[in-house]
Amino acid sequence: AQSVTQPDIHITVSEGASLELRCNYSYGATPYLFWYVQSPGQGLQLLLKYFSGDTLVQGIKGFEAEFKRSQSSFNLRKPSVHWSDAAEYFCAVSSGGGADGLTFGKGTHLIIQP
Amino acid sequence: DAGVIQSPRHEVTEMGQEVTLRCKPISGHNSLFWYRQTMMRGLELLIYFNNNVPIDDSGMPEDRFSAKMPNASFSTLKIQPSEPRDSAVYFCASSFGGQYNEQFFGPGTRLTVL
Repeated sequence: AQSVTQPDIHITVSEGASLELRCNYSYGATPYLFWYVQSPGQGLQLLLKYFSGDTLVQGIKGFEAEFKRSQSSFNLRKPSVHWSDAAEYFCAVSSGGGADGLTFGKGTHLIIQP
Repeated sequence: DAGVIQSPRHEVTEMGQEVTLRCKPISGHNSLFWYRQTMMRGLELLIYFNNNVPIDDSGMPEDRFSAKMPNASFSTLKIQPSEPRDSAVYFCASSFGGQYNEQFFGPGTRLTVL
């Protein structure tokens, strides 16, 4: 069975500082990996996805993520955070991309300090 | 272009009552997913459909839960009878299916069972 671990429940970062959110997955074959963001009271918005190919993927809002098979990781990064980045971030894995259900991590709550 | 539409956005009901949540996927999408979000369990896949056919309902918690997709533009999730532990945010998502497509989420329905 596939699973996702997001080790950090909360992360606090100063505005303008860099950010890295950790994600580790467990899946037997090549996974389809996603990062979603959820603002309070809102649905989930896709930040980026990895299906195959280049292991460094670029997403919206200046985010990027790197797939490292040897570490079973798919960490999310941003060089300089903005106050509007405060939200809940979810890493997810799927065995079939858009044709299969997603297994989500528990999420990381990002707090931005002024 | 309209995204995934869910109704109602908020539902408050009493234990024992029947609850019906509705979802209209993005036009042209042929895969539809129902998820539930709670503080304790996070985001969980309940059931998903491909081309209106239920593919995996192993996440449906009990027989009290049922889901239907009578056509490509409409799905329902029904809880009968409802219980306080069913209180959660229920998300519907849709995709074009296939391996290389992502899921688009609706705004969710916040269900409170008293």
